[in-house]
Amino acid sequence: DAGVTQSPTHLIKTRGQHVTLRCSPISGHKSVSWYQQVLGQGPQFIFQYYEKEERGRGNFPDRFSARQFPNYSSELNVNALLLGDSALYLCASSPPGYEQYFGPGTRLTVT
Amino acid sequence: AQKITQTQPGMFVQEKEAVTLDCTYDTSDPSYGLFWYKQPSSGEMIFLIYQGSYDQQNATEGRYSLNFQKARKSANLVISASQLGDSAMYFCAMREAAGGTSYGKLTFGQGTILTVHP
Repeated sequence: DAGVTQSPTHLIKTRGQHVTLRCSPISGHKSVSWYQQVLGQGPQFIFQYYEKEERGRGNFPDRFSARQFPNYSSELNVNALLLGDSALYLCASSPPGYEQYFGPGTRLTVT
Repeated sequence: AQKITQTQPGMFVQEKEAVTLDCTYDTSDPSYGLFWYKQPSSGEMIFLIYQGSYDQQNATEGRYSLNFQKARKSANLVISASQLGDSAMYFCAMREAAGGTSYGKLTFGQGTILTVHP
């Protein structure tokens, strides 16, 4: 079975630009979560979606937004990029109440 | 608010020996789950082991075991018979009970870098 997939793998953007990151969950998983991992730190929770509804939001500015599609895939959007947004963005999928399975991540560099 | 503390920035172990990675947590929720993840240099988070707050026995998964001491709020990971491939970053994480405002959100510690020497 395919695991969680994320695209793109790497991305370089300039300050002020917008970025869209994509995630496809494991087949049958209806929940998708997004995490930001800055170098040298543990992942920080950004969003969780379940059945296309937002179920949780972390302490991130409104420049961060996300959505989930009918096929349970998800997009994370970040507007007006800052240097501090440079990080590994991890997507995780799970059936309700079970452990989260992570994708390989998207490494975003903002210059 | 939930908090996870990993006090060991780095640990070294000899191949084939056992090693314990420390994790303490803080929560006011009586129902929670504790997880350990391995993150190699490639970046992917690999699930290792899970312990529920109401589980009576310590969780085990192959060479991994979780030393769960609820009264002390600790959930240490024990890796037996270390292998060179165990060298990676290890994260302890906690999940609050499903149905809360942050459904299934994971709170991570700062991580411990484990280096296995031959």
